[in-house]
Amino acid sequence: DVKVTQSSRYLVKRTGEKVFLECVQDMDHENMFWYRQDPGLGLRLIYFSYDVKMKEKGDIPEGYSVSREKKERFSLILESASTNQTSMYLCASSTRYQETQYFGPGTRLLVL
Amino acid sequence: AQSVTQPDIHITVSEGASLELRCNYSYGATPYLFWYVQSPGQGLQLLLKYFSGDTLVQGIKGFEAEFKRSQSSFNLRKPSVHWSDAAEYFCAVGSGGYQKVTFGTGTKLQVIP
Repeated sequence: DVKVTQSSRYLVKRTGEKVFLECVQDMDHENMFWYRQDPGLGLRLIYFSYDVKMKEKGDIPEGYSVSREKKERFSLILESASTNQTSMYLCASSTRYQETQYFGPGTRLLVL
Repeated sequence: AQSVTQPDIHITVSEGASLELRCNYSYGATPYLFWYVQSPGQGLQLLLKYFSGDTLVQGIKGFEAEFKRSQSSFNLRKPSVHWSDAAEYFCAVGSGGYQKVTFGTGTKLQVIP
């Protein structure tokens, strides 16, 4: 079974803090994704990566950056957390041809 | 740009009743279409997908969906709903490869006894 793990299920941070969300997949997938999920807005793509050290902006990249130094790991960074970044963050991975995305359980981030 | 519309935000059905969740998409070429389910507190799980071929697609947990190109629709159906089907359902459209997948806003399903 494909497994996508995220470093934390719940996280509470203060405004202005630098926040790291980590995602690891164990299926040697080329593609990895970060989404945020908000009620009524569905899933919105923040960034995705189709190879090590490669990244592409999604629909809402402002305020975020990413890092992919190893194939299995994709990190989302909030350089200076703000209250409007309080959300559920979902990581996913897929093969190069994106036939299916496999999701982690999500990290619920609260920024105070 | 591709887009997905799920017109129903919330649906309530009785256990044992049939279910249809609506999905309309906008995409210039032949789309890849997906339905995902999210149980409370969990990530998303793929129910079924359509890439080409037979327009009626069978998925897990007894779900099926039908691709209708003329209506730009990919509605999800189940003949008899179980209480464990209560969850949020997302329709998505993509084209594979390096292109992103766009998700709808979701439909929350409540099942009453």
